[in-house]
Amino acid sequence: DTAVSQTPKYLVTQMGNDKSIKCEQNLGHDTMYWYKQDSKKFLKIMFSYNNKELIINETVPNRFSPKSPDKAHLNLHINSLELGDSAVYFCASSQDNGLYEQYFGPGTRLTVT
Amino acid sequence: AQKITQTQPGMFVQEKEAVTLDCTYDTSDPSYGLFWYKQPSSGEMIFLIYQGSYDQQNATEGRYSLNFQKARKSANLVISASQLGDSAMYFCAMQGAGTALIFGKGTTLSVSS
Repeated sequence: DTAVSQTPKYLVTQMGNDKSIKCEQNLGHDTMYWYKQDSKKFLKIMFSYNNKELIINETVPNRFSPKSPDKAHLNLHINSLELGDSAVYFCASSQDNGLYEQYFGPGTRLTVT
Repeated sequence: AQKITQTQPGMFVQEKEAVTLDCTYDTSDPSYGLFWYKQPSSGEMIFLIYQGSYDQQNATEGRYSLNFQKARKSANLVISASQLGDSAMYFCAMQGAGTALIFGKGTTLSVSS
């Protein structure tokens, strides 16, 4: 009965490949997010969706494309992976896009070689 | 622009003692929320406590309390009666109305017996 789940937990791939990370929440929340945590543990928002609509799109290379098929799912597709994409990617969800706590998934550690 | 500052890279405390983790913020929004998250070595992000900018009283959740000083723009986390399991990285975060959640750089807390 995991609240926010992500797959895969680990992803090792070579430069130039395309990969996807999937996220699902069973909390009935309206808003979902993708964050990137770099090697220095700094967390930064990448995208936010509210009821399947993109509401936050930070300065992220357009090689990153989020997709929300329904409000319980938010996937992240990354094209032409680069070494600098190596990081931990967290999915999160919140009740809506107001001032509510966000619940995070376990993270996906992406390593690009 | 909004900004979160955590000036303590590391803190050390003995079991059963209280510890305060510092956080200052800067925003021009009148409505905002302040959050604290815990990240243990296992990597997950755990929501601890929330304080709204209009809340008159400091937030408390079990052993966690948020010392909110609005005029000083500080939102320090106080952990009472520290336990070994409190050893982790702690992130202060802020969100304005309709804006993204931004995180500080984190403070690593080490609790010793």
